[in-house]
Amino acid sequence: QVQLVQSGAEVKKPGASVKVSCKASGYTFTTYGISWVRQAPGQGLEWMGWISAYNGNTNYAQKVQGRVTMTRDTSTSTAYMELRSLRSDDTAVYYCVRESEEMATIYFQYWGQGTLVTVSS
Amino acid sequence: DIQMTQSPSSLSAYVGDRVTITCRASQSIATFLNWYQQKPGKAPKLLIYAASSLQGGVPSRFSGSGSGTDFTLTISSLQPEDFAAYYCQQSYNTPRTFGQGTRLEIK
Repeated sequence: QVQLVQSGAEVKKPGASVKVSCKASGYTFTTYGISWVRQAPGQGLEWMGWISAYNGNTNYAQKVQGRVTMTRDTSTSTAYMELRSLRSDDTAVYYCVRESEEMATIYFQYWGQGTLVTVSS
Repeated sequence: DIQMTQSPSSLSAYVGDRVTITCRASQSIATFLNWYQQKPGKAPKLLIYAASSLQGGVPSRFSGSGSGTDFTLTISSLQPEDFAAYYCQQSYNTPRTFGQGTRLEIK
């Protein structure tokens, strides 16, 4: 079965960086893209960006463009999301999501368990 | 960016009620619209994709409809396990924006 297992919770100081990992299993990693979605405490869902697991192409949301880098390692079927220059409003649960496509529609079928990143001085 | 607006933001209902949540896109997105359910402390779960296609394993009391800019998620007879937050999301283009969510509570 498809599984996405993320790295553990992080506590960072403002200005620091965080790198969250997402290890995929149960499918051919390079076949599907991975998106990253975050959710601030008590708030809604925010799409941060996407990486092609096939060739590493990326597409980032304007809000985090310049601070975020998404990468992947096909040898370990792992995707990574690094966010730099952290601010307090980056405090959130970060999810990796495997995209699926059917009827020309892309949807988020498989989600990681989430990684809480807390930014606090 | 395409803005997704859900209504209502919160809703109280009884077990057995029929409820409808609406989602409006700021421009036409054809049927590139998905619905998710999220329970506290859990990752979202896909319910509906392509506006009206029921994801496998999702109970048939859930249904979706709409095209263009206006969409609805309907739960035909609320069950205790349906009390959760619901989000629409467009996949017409990037950024893949979500609605602000609808919190469904027990009355």
